[in-house]
Amino acid sequence: SQQGEEDPQALSIQEGENATMNCSYKTSINNLQWYRQNSGRGLVHLILIRSNEREKHSGRLRVTLDTSKKSSSLLITASRAADTASYFCATDERGGGFKTIFGAGTRLFVKA
Amino acid sequence: DTAVSQTPKYLVTQMGNDKSIKCEQNLGHDTMYWYKQDSKKFLKIMFSYNNKELIINETVPNRFSPKSPDKAHLNLHINSLELGDSAVYFCASSQVRAGVGTDTQYFGPGTRLTVL
Repeated sequence: SQQGEEDPQALSIQEGENATMNCSYKTSINNLQWYRQNSGRGLVHLILIRSNEREKHSGRLRVTLDTSKKSSSLLITASRAADTASYFCATDERGGGFKTIFGAGTRLFVKA
Repeated sequence: DTAVSQTPKYLVTQMGNDKSIKCEQNLGHDTMYWYKQDSKKFLKIMFSYNNKELIINETVPNRFSPKSPDKAHLNLHINSLELGDSAVYFCASSQVRAGVGTDTQYFGPGTRLTVL
């Protein structure tokens, strides 16, 4: 089955609320990344967290990584309508070299 | 300046035709990728090239043939197009450091392929 599975598949919130998305994976990893994709566009990198890190912040984004549970979460605080997009986690297998596997994504809709 | 560019942005063609999609990156990265995104938004890696060498070939039909003339270019040629090839194809590039794993990938805008 697929490495990097996001949960929930879709999320609808009001502007100003926080949005939390989760990602689970199956193998040992070097790092985990989160990407955003606006409709009709390519993916844009948001944040990378290495396997020896537990938490990372970037602006309104907070990412956690729990390697014992093979899971990560992305928190977007004080969401805006412009945050409406699909969010993907991506992992690369330790020892896998050049292969990054993307999950199916969480579709976030932020209502103004 | 665009970091990763793809042409064309849209491609509509008949079944059985042969078509190519071009990708160029000006980031100086060593590694380039082709991904296929289906109608459910699932993104699947197809190929990866590192320094012009094929590294990953993910059980893709041999109708798909990537070509990397140099580190900055990775083109995708598709022969005998089928209806199921309709999807959005993304090119990406990154710097990969041995033992560290894949770094940030920079994606092109995508090529929407429609096979009629």
